[in-house]
Amino acid sequence: AQSVTQLGSHVSVSEGALVLLRCNYSSSVPPYLFWYVQYPNQGLQLLLKYTTGATLVKGINGFEAEFKKSETSFHLTKPSAHMSDAAEYFCAVSEGFGNEKLTFGTGTRLTIIP
Amino acid sequence: DTAVSQTPKYLVTQMGNDKSIKCEQNLGHDTMYWYKQDSKKFLKIMFSYNNKELIINETVPNRFSPKSPDKAHLNLHINSLELGDSAVYFCASSPPGSLQTGELFFGEGSRLTVL
Repeated sequence: AQSVTQLGSHVSVSEGALVLLRCNYSSSVPPYLFWYVQYPNQGLQLLLKYTTGATLVKGINGFEAEFKKSETSFHLTKPSAHMSDAAEYFCAVSEGFGNEKLTFGTGTRLTIIP
Repeated sequence: DTAVSQTPKYLVTQMGNDKSIKCEQNLGHDTMYWYKQDSKKFLKIMFSYNNKELIINETVPNRFSPKSPDKAHLNLHINSLELGDSAVYFCASSPPGSLQTGELFFGEGSRLTVL
C-alpha cells in the first residue's frame, strides 16, 4: 500500500527565506508524486507533479521539488518565500493506476513571517 | 463560471438528520470524486465515479450514498448524520487520460457541522 509522510505539520519562514517542506513516500511500485496547495477556505490546487523523466520538477509560483528514489523523498522548495505563499501544502502519491488512487499526506501549514 | 462547484458551502444540522451536498463540474471531465477532510486536515478519498459508474468506494459507511445522474454531476447524500461526520467534503474531477497527469480539480469544499 502506498503512503506519504510529511514531516512538520507547521513550518514558519521569514519573507525572502528558503522554503523547504518535507515529504517521504512509500510505494510498492515506481510512484507518481504530487504537491498540492490549499489556500484558506479554498479547494486544493496542483502545484507540481513527478511522473517519469527528470527528477527535478518545477511548478507554479516558483516552487520546485526533487524526486530522490534512494531517499524515498519528494521535498518541496522555493528559494525566496513570499507572503502569498502562506497556505497548507499536501504531498500525495499514486501508484500510477490512475489518479483516483491518490493518497495524501497530513499536510504542512506554511506561515510566512514579515 | 466556477469549474467545480459545490453547494451548500456550509451546512449545520442535528444528529440523525439526512442531508445532501451537490457537485457539478463544467470541465467536461469523465471522473469525479468525493474527498473528506477532517479537523486535522487529513484528506481521504471516499468515492470515485467514471462516466456515472462507481469505481472506488473506500470503506465508507453505507449511510453515505453518492449519486451521479450524469458525468457532470456527483451528489453525496448522508443518512442519519453522526457527530463524526463533521468535516469538510471536497468534490473533485479529473480529465480523460489523467493517468499521466494526476491532476485533480477541486471544488471549494462544503463544511458540514453536526450538532
